[in-house]
Amino acid sequence: GALVYQYPRRTICKSGTSMRMECQAVGFQATSVAWYRQSPQKTFELIALSTVNSAIKYEQNFTQEKFPISHPNLSFSSMTVLNAYLEDRGLYLCGVGTGGTEVFFGKGTRLTVV
Amino acid sequence: GQQVQQSPTSLVLQEGENAELQCNFSTSLNSMQWFYQRPGGSLISVFYNPSGTKQSGRLTSTTVIKERRSSLHISSSQITDSGTYLCAINYNVLYFGSGTKLTVEP
Repeated sequence: GALVYQYPRRTICKSGTSMRMECQAVGFQATSVAWYRQSPQKTFELIALSTVNSAIKYEQNFTQEKFPISHPNLSFSSMTVLNAYLEDRGLYLCGVGTGGTEVFFGKGTRLTVV
Repeated sequence: GQQVQQSPTSLVLQEGENAELQCNFSTSLNSMQWFYQRPGGSLISVFYNPSGTKQSGRLTSTTVIKERRSSLHISSSQITDSGTYLCAINYNVLYFGSGTKLTVEP
């Protein structure tokens, strides 16, 4: 079956530092990877959509300068949270598409900023 | 982003009761999915439902694209059903509703 691994599961970083998280698709090739953030008491916010062979599209309020994404091949994507502050804390999830319309999710990376 | 409204926001049931969760969306779409979010945060896909009715055990999803709505019915609820249920519409990428927090009490 389709499996999506995210690493690390949990991380703590100091305010003003950066943190990189990874998303790995196992058993299938990811034609698209979408990164989401679920802040405390909030729903899932779409950060950006990365489609192979297309430019990464960022949603309003999220920028490449703050959340640079790398999608080097069909099974791997990474995103960095640069200069993290308190408002960046939350659960970061990657959703992986296969060209159909069903999307598979990893278990997320929970970011705490201290 | 696309508008996705879920209702109710929260729901408390006694074990054995049925639940009906609603999802309404403001635009035409490719498909939609229902997810269950565990207290720890991970998402589990419950239904991928482009249209029509699908059943899996005690769960039934009905999606009517033309009417821009979907529902998730949980029959004979159990304590382990507690958690947050999210619907998401696929408009080239998934957009999530704010979820329904379900609590099933003994």
